[in-house]
Amino acid sequence: DARVTQTPRDKVTEMGQEVTMRCQPILGHNTVFWYRQTMMQGLELLAYFRNRAPLDDSGMPKDRFSAEMPDATLATLKIQPSEPRDSAVYFCASGLSGEQFFGPGTRLTVL
Amino acid sequence: AQSVSQHNHHVILSEAASLELGCNYSYGGTVNLFWYVQYPGQHLQLLLKYFSGDPLVKGIKGFEAEFIKSKFSFNLRKPSVQWSDTAEYFCAVSNSGGYQKVTFGIGTKLQVIP
Repeated sequence: DARVTQTPRDKVTEMGQEVTMRCQPILGHNTVFWYRQTMMQGLELLAYFRNRAPLDDSGMPKDRFSAEMPDATLATLKIQPSEPRDSAVYFCASGLSGEQFFGPGTRLTVL
Repeated sequence: AQSVSQHNHHVILSEAASLELGCNYSYGGTVNLFWYVQYPGQHLQLLLKYFSGDPLVKGIKGFEAEFIKSKFSFNLRKPSVQWSDTAEYFCAVSNSGGYQKVTFGIGTKLQVIP
């Protein structure tokens, strides 16, 4: 049963620290998405990759966030430095032909 | 740019009541349409999808949705809800060629009372 995996599942950190979230997409999927979900803003698209190339990161605060796909089995989302307003659940999804499969999410708390 | 509008943000129903959640989208081209469900504390899962063909789409757990092109709508329905349907429901749209960026609606929280 293929699924998207994300690590860590929970992360508590202090303001100013670097946070790295990892995602392993489903093998064979050519698109990877990073989303942030909060009560106030709902589900926001942060970044989108197709065939490992970044196609859209307009939803991401560029000064502190960065997203990469070093290879087809790994996508990373990094926040440096982290701030309390970054507290949210971060979902990775991989897809094919428009349909997306979501990972379990990383719950980030920045104190 | 494409957008998705979900009309009801919070719906409360009794078990066995019928459900209809509204979804309208705006996009000038050919679209793919989706409904996702997020149970409390879990990630989003696909309920059903429309790519082409029969505009009445049946999904898992007794859900269905109807694509009405003239109304730019893709409403979700279930004839009789259960307590286990308590969740948040997201409508989503993607353009069917090229970029395939998916845009999500803000979500509708459904609470089913036993």
